[in-house]
Amino acid sequence: AQKITQTQPGMFVQEKEAVTLDCTYDTSDPSYGLFWYKQPSSGEMIFLIYQGSYDQQNATEGRYSLNFQKARKSANLVISASQLGDSAMYFCAMREGQGGNNRKLIWGLGTSLAVNP
Amino acid sequence: GAGVSQSPSNKVTEKGKDVELRCDPISGHTALYWYRQSLGQGLEFLIYFQGNSAPDKSGLPSDRFSAERTGGSVSTLTIQRTQQEDSAVYLCASSQKVFGSAEQYFGPGTRLTVT
Repeated sequence: AQKITQTQPGMFVQEKEAVTLDCTYDTSDPSYGLFWYKQPSSGEMIFLIYQGSYDQQNATEGRYSLNFQKARKSANLVISASQLGDSAMYFCAMREGQGGNNRKLIWGLGTSLAVNP
Repeated sequence: GAGVSQSPSNKVTEKGKDVELRCDPISGHTALYWYRQSLGQGLEFLIYFQGNSAPDKSGLPSDRFSAERTGGSVSTLTIQRTQQEDSAVYLCASSQKVFGSAEQYFGPGTRLTVT
C-alpha cells in the first residue's frame, strides 16, 4: 500500500489566489514527520515546510501552511497568494520515527502546479 | 556557505559500463542521503550515511549498487555493469539535525542515461 498518496497529478491556480495540494499518509508509528518539497523545472528539491506528529499547531512558513488533520491522516499544503514562480512539482514526504538511524524519507508521486497569470 | 553539489550533472554511458556519481554535502552536515528519481516518479531512497557509516542501505536495488563516504564529507555512488533501468536522476541530500525536522537539503542531481 502507498504510504504517501497525492491524488492530484496536476493543478491550476490563478495568480494571487490560494491553492491546496492534498497529501494523505499511512503509518502505524505514533511518531513521524511530514515534509513538503518543491521541485521547479531546474530539478532541485527545495524544502518548504515540516510538521511533526506531536506538534500541536499547524506549521506555517511565510505563504506556506500545512493543514494537518491527524485523525484523517492528511497533511495538505496551502499556498496563499500564488505567484508565477510557484509553478513547479510539489512532493509530500514522510519520515517514520523520531530520527536516530531511521531517517529516510518516503515520497509521494507529486502534484504539478501551474500558476496562470 | 555553498549548497550540496553533485558531479557530473549529466552522464551518458553504455550498458555494462561502471559509473561513479559524486556528492559534496553542505559543510558540517553529518548525514548524507542518496535518492533516485525516475521519470514521472517520486523519489526512491537508496542509502543513508551518518558520518562515514551507512546505518541504512535498504534502498539499494541490487548488489551492482554501492556507496561510500570518506572523511565524513564527500560520497560516491557506484553503479557497476549499468543497465537501462538504471537511467534516472540521482539526487544527493544532506542534513545537519539529528532529530526533529532534520530537513534534507538537496543537490541538483546527476542525470544518468544508459544506452
